[in-house]
Amino acid sequence: DIQLTQSPSSLSASVGDRVTITCRASQTMSSYLNWYQQKPGRAPRLLISAASSLQSGVPSRFSGSGSGTEFTLIISSLEPEDFATYYCQQSYNTPPYTFGQGTKLEIK
Amino acid sequence: EVQLVASGGRVVQPGGSLRLSCEASGFSFDDFAVHWVRQAPGKGLEWVSLISGDGDRTYYADSMKGRFTVSRDNNKNSLFLEMTSLRSEDTAFYYCARDSGSGTYPFDYWGQGTLVTVSS
Repeated sequence: DIQLTQSPSSLSASVGDRVTITCRASQTMSSYLNWYQQKPGRAPRLLISAASSLQSGVPSRFSGSGSGTEFTLIISSLEPEDFATYYCQQSYNTPPYTFGQGTKLEIK
Repeated sequence: EVQLVASGGRVVQPGGSLRLSCEASGFSFDDFAVHWVRQAPGKGLEWVSLISGDGDRTYYADSMKGRFTVSRDNNKNSLFLEMTSLRSEDTAFYYCARDSGSGTYPFDYWGQGTLVTVSS
């Protein structure tokens, strides 16, 4: 099974900051990497698929990049509504559809 | 509007059984595979199961094989998860999520989750 490791596990930042979250895979998986945002008490929301494809309705301050084993989610300028937990997920070698452990983004 | 509404979660004793449901609307249900994903309170996301659009193919996480059974009724736009031999570690919110069916097959729509608590 492919294992995904996100870093950092938690992050404190301020509104307006640029934030980078990394997801590393235990084996190469092309661009079969998706990113989700989850706010407390809510279901996850798909942000980015195929490593870099922004979903409809997702603000352009979100971007994704990477391929192979290393992937990045960048929020270029944090807004108050971006404070949430972010998960990467692989859909390359499935099942299982592995998720990273999550990165909790908190207000500094 | 695509909607998935999960239901059926409740408190159940260890060793007990429970059936979760997920009702879909706003899309052609039988054209899409659907997943179950769970999340223990305060923990991360864990994939549980997948069923194909026609219901002919099912897949499970190793820890659920033999205990959980996924099924669907396309006439009623409904998905089910039958859970048996429940353990305390099965306590979680259970989400149904639609497989996009294209590209890198992300889970593009999620239900709101239903809470299963396994406790005596």
